[in-house]
Amino acid sequence: EADIYQTPRYLVIGTGKKITLECSQTMGHDKMYWYQQDPGMELHLIHYSYGVNSTEKGDLSSESTVSRIRTEHFPLTLESARPSHTSQYLCASSEFGRTGDTGELFFGEGSRLTVL
Amino acid sequence: SQQGEEDPQALSIQEGENATMNCSYKTSINNLQWYRQNSGRGLVHLILIRSNEREKHSGRLRVTLDTSKKSSSLLITASRAADTASYFCATDAQGGSEKLVFGKGTKLTVNP
Repeated sequence: EADIYQTPRYLVIGTGKKITLECSQTMGHDKMYWYQQDPGMELHLIHYSYGVNSTEKGDLSSESTVSRIRTEHFPLTLESARPSHTSQYLCASSEFGRTGDTGELFFGEGSRLTVL
Repeated sequence: SQQGEEDPQALSIQEGENATMNCSYKTSINNLQWYRQNSGRGLVHLILIRSNEREKHSGRLRVTLDTSKKSSSLLITASRAADTASYFCATDAQGGSEKLVFGKGTKLTVNP
């Protein structure tokens, strides 16, 4: 069982609210990721990090921001939520590959966000 | 553009039958991975196959990789109702900044 945790699992909020989705892992992994997934659809990478103080935008443009102040913690923030942000957000982590490739990703259970 | 594309999009079989899902991709890869996702949950890693490997087994799972055709297949033998889930392939592209790109997935339903 993966030691990566996301809270909240479900969140329903009104338009304009600020929200933070929490993600923590206890595996000591340097690499962490946020994916966005609409129901029945593929995952889109929105943010990733290779270590403390390292954050990069992913392939899908997102109005969210992330921070990486501690190795184990990678929160995602939306300053002003809109209905278009309604989706499932999945956090994942991995070790650096031995030969520079990407190894197995460990996923949290996801945070399902609904913005009214 | 999407790197991996699974086929079929949906598959419905009876318990005990084998299930085969295919994945095609566009660029050269370091490795290809398969994941499983139960409805509303996170993804679970199933198997990783490197570009210099052609076949890997794990329990009832068999994965093949054909780099000349840029394709992979996942075979689940003797399926069970508990195998009902969505299955995704993910590719680690060469020179791709060490991140995985996921396909749209195959939704597998195993009927008891």
